[in-house]
Amino acid sequence: AQKITQTQPGMFVQEKEAVTLDCTYDTSDPSYGLFWYKQPSSGEMIFLIYQGSYDQQNATEGRYSLNFQKARKSANLVISASQLGDSAMYFCAMKLNAGGTSYGKLTFGQGTILTVHP
Amino acid sequence: NAGVTQTPKFQVLKTGQSMTLQCAQDMNHEYMSWYRQDPGMGLRLIHYSVGAGITDQGEVPNGYNVSRSTTEDFPLRLLSAAPSQTSVYFCASSYFLLTVPYEQYFGPGTRLTVT
Repeated sequence: AQKITQTQPGMFVQEKEAVTLDCTYDTSDPSYGLFWYKQPSSGEMIFLIYQGSYDQQNATEGRYSLNFQKARKSANLVISASQLGDSAMYFCAMKLNAGGTSYGKLTFGQGTILTVHP
Repeated sequence: NAGVTQTPKFQVLKTGQSMTLQCAQDMNHEYMSWYRQDPGMGLRLIHYSVGAGITDQGEVPNGYNVSRSTTEDFPLRLLSAAPSQTSVYFCASSYFLLTVPYEQYFGPGTRLTVT
């Protein structure tokens, strides 16, 4: 079964600085997708960025980039130029792409609370 | 285009009561799922569906039932509420094509308290 681990319960960053949120995953399937979601205090889940296991380049979406190291099974989220509005809970998640009983299921990590200081 | 909608937003139940959490999407997504979010545990999959008439269990299915009679709706039923089911419940939907991992769109959540 697949597993996602986020080892940082909380992170602090100064406004305008960059921050890296760690995520490691475990699966024996070769085809999978990795997602990052943001959950602000209002509670909704906001999709940020996606990385496919066969993608050659690291994904980027605006100020978000995903540092994908396949051999180390890590998919860290990098937020550049942090803003006060980035303060939220961040979840890493994985979904298998191949067939089998786990296909399509999104497995989440426990989340990291990011606090941006002015 | 409303996306994924959930009702109610808040609910308080007494132990032993039953209720249905409603979820609907207007994006013609084949895949729909229910998660619960508990403090310190992330989101855990309860049940999911890959199309009308097809449902399957997730990681924590006990105490919950689902059905999928239409593409749009995926209600979650609590059969006999227990305090352990106090949680925030999220419904999500996505396209479902083999080898194409589309992002899941989440509803706003339902905060359920069982006393």
